[in-house]
Order: sequence, then structure tokens, then C-alpha cells
Amino acid sequence: QQQVKQSPQSLIVQKGGISIINCAYENTAFDYFPWYQQFPGKGPALLIAIRPDVSEKKEGRFTISFNKSAKQFSLHIMDSQPGDSATYFCAASDDDYKLSFGAGTTVTVRA
Amino acid sequence: DAGITQSPRHKVTETGTPVTLRCHQTENHRYMYWYRQDPGHGLRLIHYSYGVKDTDKGEVSDGYSVSRSKTEDFLLTLESATSSQTSVYFCAARQGAKGYGYTFGSGTRLTVV
Repeated sequence: QQQVKQSPQSLIVQKGGISIINCAYENTAFDYFPWYQQFPGKGPALLIAIRPDVSEKKEGRFTISFNKSAKQFSLHIMDSQPGDSATYFCAASDDDYKLSFGAGTTVTVRA
Repeated sequence: DAGITQSPRHKVTETGTPVTLRCHQTENHRYMYWYRQDPGHGLRLIHYSYGVKDTDKGEVSDGYSVSRSKTEDFLLTLESATSSQTSVYFCAARQGAKGYGYTFGSGTRLTVV
């Protein structure tokens, strides 16, 4: 049973468009929410992370929005580029040891 | 991925045989993890280690065991491989508290025939 539910499973966006990926959770003890980016044939790599004491965090073209009351968080990729084509995973943690990952979203950016 | 080496990168094995996957890290990270990646399931934790000889089960540990006799090495063993264990296996390591990101290896693609 996945503790973090991620949607959509895949999305296609035009170059310059906005990609939005959503995640939801039930465990209110989660207090760390990272996003990972994975290119084909590679392991995932940390992209950006947020803690629940802030509602938004921005790094370059990537923004996490966090809604604690709704138990939801999302990744926005602004001005999407072909190089952003990858699989994105949201994740959450409630202890010092491990992360629970979402099922992943494959993003395809068309030139 | 710098610092995490997984071996082998690809393996085909027969049902019922034992298989050991190796993860080697050069960064002296305390925490190490084994995940499997399957379509529609994302990354699921198999086992993890929080120090030498200190390991614990993850959410999909049945049929798997691990060992960590040195800080740098974390071994995953499939005791008797089954077709349901065909997957891509990723090792990860983390330096310290959960605010630090995981560093993942490049994965091992295992096929059980």
C-alpha cells in the first residue's frame, strides 16, 4: 500500500509550458518531502525538497507547493525544456531512516 | 553516480537460484538502502542499514536478506529467486539526517527466468 499517491502517471507538455505533478499523503507524521528526478538508465537524483513549515519553495524553474491542511504537495516545472524529460518521484519521510516514494510520473517535453 | 557502485549491472538467473547483488560506496555514508523499481509501483524499500551490522526490513522484504559487514559494502541476497523478483534494483546511501538527499547507484537489472 503506497503511502504517497502520485498523479498523473505520465504527461506530455510543449516546450515552454508548465508541468504539474501532484502528490497526496495520509500520514500526518511526515515532515520531509523531497522530489527526485530520474533519467533513463540512471538512478534517481534529489531535485528539490520542502518541510511542512513553508508553503512554497523555488529553485530555478522548479517549485514545490505544499498544502499541509489538504495533505498535498506538488511540483511545478516552469518553462519546460526537452532536457526536463524524465521520471519524477515525490517522496515523504517521518523518521530518520527511510523515505516512502510515489509511483512516479514520466514527463515528456515536446520541442 | 559518483560514490555508489552497483554490481553486476545486468544479470539473468534461473528460478530457484540464489543471487547476490553488491553495493559499494566510497563516501563513508552511515545509511544505506536497497530499493526495487517496478512500473506502476515506483521505488519500494526492501531493506536498509543504519550502521555496520545494523539492518532492518522495508515494505517488500520477503524473499530478500541483506548484510553489511563493512561501512562501504551492502549486499542484497535473493535467497531463491522467483520471477516476481525480476526488477531493477537500486542501492542508495545517505550521509546523515533525513535533510540530506539520497545518492543512488545506477541500478542492477535482474531478470529471473
